[in-house]
Amino acid sequence: DIQMTQSPSSLSASVGDRVTITCRASQDITNYLAWYQQKPGKVPKLLIYDASTLQSGVPSRFSGSGSGTDFTLTISSLQPEDVATYYCQKYNSAPPLFTFGPGTKVDI
Amino acid sequence: EVQLVQSGAEVKKPGESLKISCKGSGYSFTSHWIGWVRQMPGKGLEWMGSIYPGDSDPRYTPYSPSFEGQVTISADKSISTAYLQWNSLKASDTAIYYCARCASGGSCYFDYWGQGTQVTISS
Repeated sequence: DIQMTQSPSSLSASVGDRVTITCRASQDITNYLAWYQQKPGKVPKLLIYDASTLQSGVPSRFSGSGSGTDFTLTISSLQPEDVATYYCQKYNSAPPLFTFGPGTKVDI
Repeated sequence: EVQLVQSGAEVKKPGESLKISCKGSGYSFTSHWIGWVRQMPGKGLEWMGSIYPGDSDPRYTPYSPSFEGQVTISADKSISTAYLQWNSLKASDTAIYYCARCASGGSCYFDYWGQGTQVTISS
């Protein structure tokens, strides 16, 4: 099974800071990588898919990069509403098999 | 508008059975995989398994190894509803359970999520 790790597990930053979260897969997953945001008490929300494609409606301060085994989620200018836990997820097509990373909690 | 509407919160005793539901609307229910995701209190997201309502043959319903044999995923395409069921609940099944839709095309990431069903198992 492919394992997903994330670093850091938590971080605290200031409004306006550039924030980078790393996700690593134990095997090559090409670009089958999504990022989700889960605010406290809320439903997870898709931010990025295919490693770098921004989901419709997601602010442009969010971006994703990487391929193979190493991926990053970047928030270019952290906003108060970005306080959340961020999860990476490995996926494939058919049959759909998924693995989530353990999450990175972002505070201000 | 795409919506996934899940059944309401449940409180059950250990050993009881349970079936929760996820009703899709606003899209072709039979054309997208549906996945189930568990979130235990204060913990992360765990994929449990998925089903393709357009062909819900149990032989082709993939499960995470952690949940294989512990739950059953099914679907009734006539009413655009997917299900997650347990035959014998344990206290450790206490969690929020989400259903989520796979986007179309070759990449199956979750683009729409249900609101979640809180399941509490307590004697």
